[in-house]
Amino acid sequence: DAKTTQPTSMDCAEGRAANLPCNHSTISGNEYVYWYRQIHSQGPQYIIHGLKNNETNEMASLIITEDRKSSTLILPHATLRDTAVYYCIVRAGRGGSNYKLTFGKGTLLTVNP
Amino acid sequence: DGGITQSPKYLFRKEGQNVTLSCEQNLNHDAMYWYRQDPGQGLRLIYYSQIVNDFQKGDIAEGYSVSREKKESFPLTVTSAQKNPTAFYLCASSPQGFEQFFGPGTRLTVL
Repeated sequence: DAKTTQPTSMDCAEGRAANLPCNHSTISGNEYVYWYRQIHSQGPQYIIHGLKNNETNEMASLIITEDRKSSTLILPHATLRDTAVYYCIVRAGRGGSNYKLTFGKGTLLTVNP
Repeated sequence: DGGITQSPKYLFRKEGQNVTLSCEQNLNHDAMYWYRQDPGQGLRLIYYSQIVNDFQKGDIAEGYSVSREKKESFPLTVTSAQKNPTAFYLCASSPQGFEQFFGPGTRLTVL
């Protein structure tokens, strides 16, 4: 799986959009970009994933650059409960035999009042 | 309620003792996983199972053992051979090859 690079930490004001970047310059054509988050002392929570197109769900939006070498997770209106470590993960295929998720250290997002 | 349960939430054991961590899911997922997390670090894969009665080693399997006798259950045993067992242990499940859903975790402390 391709390696990802994320900033160690970011701050965001409550009610504002949080934009979390991720670099994955060695991503292959069949690799998806996944985002998870982990609130302190809890299990990780799936947020969103994408291959080429931008994606949006009830939690967030995922913007993937045209060359697919980087992506941005957007939380449109951050709340205090969004304070967590956010992991960007690149994984081959959505089916098949490659199930492994490789978690790095992620980005600690702190939402301030 | 569908979901993944792990028990207990906190576990204390003496050095040299084996300990088994429970993981149960009622999501009808085929695949299950065990991860370990150390303070300030990401998750590392210990073992995973794609189907009942089958499992594979992950990146850090030494000192751990698993079984998958039922689809719903994937217990992890931390043996005395694991040199540094104190950590946060997370279990996850997924439909074949799709998103993984995590349990609340078990924090193991070896005294």
